[in-house]
Amino acid sequence: QKEVEQDPGPLSVPEGAIVSLNCTYSNSAFQYFMWYRQYSRKGPELLMYTYSSGNKEDGRFTAQVDKSSKYISLFIRDSQPSDSATYLCASDNQGGKLIFGQGTELSVKP
Amino acid sequence: DVKVTQSSRYLVKRTGEKVFLECVQDMDHENMFWYRQDPGLGLRLIYFSYDVKMKEKGDIPEGYSVSREKKERFSLILESASTNQTSMYLCASSSPHRSRETQYFGPGTRLLVL
Repeated sequence: QKEVEQDPGPLSVPEGAIVSLNCTYSNSAFQYFMWYRQYSRKGPELLMYTYSSGNKEDGRFTAQVDKSSKYISLFIRDSQPSDSATYLCASDNQGGKLIFGQGTELSVKP
Repeated sequence: DVKVTQSSRYLVKRTGEKVFLECVQDMDHENMFWYRQDPGLGLRLIYFSYDVKMKEKGDIPEGYSVSREKKERFSLILESASTNQTSMYLCASSSPHRSRETQYFGPGTRLLVL
């Protein structure tokens, strides 16, 4: 079993929809959780990170961690075509290494 | 503005060739990483380095080696390229002292081994 699991999609939604992206993880020692966004033919870039449980909001994006169920979520409100990208969840194993999910490919149609 | 650069965006090599992928960062970061990215498998860590001349194996080091002679430069070497090493290779860097959870990625090198 991979330490971080993510549905690879692809996911296609109409412009303006609320998008929910999800991951599960297996190691209860994980404390830091990140979402990276990767546009086509580019390297990933950090979108958001959270520490431990709870929510974090940044504009149209909300990251949520539920440590009791080992569930990581990213919500995108009022989705735009420019949000079309691959979204990768990740966790820090506290050894300086990141463990990535497989990535979910999102397409927002105008 | 932080920057991680990789020597090539696209590379075509033949089976058995020795391949060098170069990565340079200008952020004075201690940590550097090499990943490969394949559809359905996500990012898999090949090697990483916490300091000059130091290296640690990641999850899939077989068939690869690395070199870090200077802090800003981390090289990935394919000693004898094989077709199953066709992939997107991503370099990243981070600092253990600042935003340890943030890794900065280069644009990637798409390698095709024929």
